[in-house]
Amino acid sequence: AQTVTQSQPEMSVQEAETVTLSCTYDTSESDYYLFWYKQPPSRQMILVIRQEAYKQQNATENRFSVNFQKAAKSFSLKISDSQLGDAAMYFCAYRSGGEGGSEKLVFGKGTKLTVNP
Amino acid sequence: EAGVVQSPRYKIIEKKQPVAFWCNPISGHNTLYWYLQNLGQGPELLIRYENEEAVDDSQLPKDRFSAERLKGVDSTLKIQPAELGDSAVYLCASSLGPDRTLHFGNGTRLTVT
Repeated sequence: AQTVTQSQPEMSVQEAETVTLSCTYDTSESDYYLFWYKQPPSRQMILVIRQEAYKQQNATENRFSVNFQKAAKSFSLKISDSQLGDAAMYFCAYRSGGEGGSEKLVFGKGTKLTVNP
Repeated sequence: EAGVVQSPRYKIIEKKQPVAFWCNPISGHNTLYWYLQNLGQGPELLIRYENEEAVDDSQLPKDRFSAERLKGVDSTLKIQPAELGDSAVYLCASSLGPDRTLHFGNGTRLTVT
């Protein structure tokens, strides 16, 4: 079974600075998707960024980018120019790809990000 | 577009009582998910529907939990009887299309006393 590990229960960053959240995963599959979700106190899980395993280029979304290291099974999230609104729980998630793959998202335990003014 | 709507936002019940949660997915989304999120943990899948059919319910504790999705739109998740350990957030999500990006609702926080 696939597992997702987030080794940083909490992280903090100064406003306008850059922070990197770590995520590693374990799988024997070659076709899969990786995601970062943000969960503010409102509890809604909001998709931040996604990465297809077959793509070598790292995904970027404005101030958010990932460092996808397929061989190392590592998928870190970098937040640049951190803003107060970035404060939330961040979850890394894995989903199998390809036909017949499980549609289930497997989540890590999350990293609580605090942004200091 | 309107997002995934869940109700109620909060529910407090005594143990052994029944409880139900409701979810209205994004219009046109044929896949619906119920996730359980314990405090300090990531969400875990309880059940997934493709239209009216439950295609993955392996993690649903069937002795006390049940779910339905009539007409392939709204869904209800029920617990009867509730136990103290059921206190958690129950998240609903829906998806459409080949990329299967999940869109989540705000969840229901259940407290069992």
